[in-house]
Amino acid sequence: QQQVKQSPQSLIVQKGGISIINCAYENTAFDYFPWYQQFPGKGPALLIAIRPDVSEKKEGRFTISFNKSAKQFSLHIMDSQPGDSATYFCAASISTGTASKLTFGTGTRLQVTL
Amino acid sequence: DSGVTQTPKHLITATGQRVTLRCSPRSGDLSVYWYQQSLDQGLQFLIQYYNGEERAKGNILERFSAQQFPDLHSELNLSSLELGDSALYFCASARGNTGELFFGEGSRLTVL
Repeated sequence: QQQVKQSPQSLIVQKGGISIINCAYENTAFDYFPWYQQFPGKGPALLIAIRPDVSEKKEGRFTISFNKSAKQFSLHIMDSQPGDSATYFCAASISTGTASKLTFGTGTRLQVTL
Repeated sequence: DSGVTQTPKHLITATGQRVTLRCSPRSGDLSVYWYQQSLDQGLQFLIQYYNGEERAKGNILERFSAQQFPDLHSELNLSSLELGDSALYFCASARGNTGELFFGEGSRLTVL
């Protein structure tokens, strides 16, 4: 049962353009929404994260927009660079005491062309 | 470098066999998570341990088991291996109980 739906599956953006990846979730108990970046041959690495009490978070060229009523959140990469070419995963988690189950989206393969 | 160490990096074995994957978490992290990544299934949560005790369980097969030892390293045991078990297995660790996980570089398992 997939609880986090991610789109698109792949994305090609020109250098300097804006990359936008969307995710939707079903479980309103989710309380933490991170984005992970994965390069080939590497493990996923935390990129940026947001909690549901905030509608937007920006870190450098990366911005998360969060719409609690629509149960959707998105990652915007401004001024996309070839070095941003990677697979991006949205995720959502419920934290209960010492237990935390992070559910990932299916991933978006981003290619930034020159 | 995330600080999470996984061994072995690559493993090739035959169907029906048993393998053990090892993970050393970041210094100070009490939680260890195991994930399976395959092309058609994405990142699937298997199991979480916190300070030696199982805390959360995902889609882990009965043929798979894990444990976390007193020194906080963890092992994932995969038995009666099938072709479909071929995947990347990631270990991640965390200090708190949020989704801020630090992943190792994975163990690539190939079952022939």
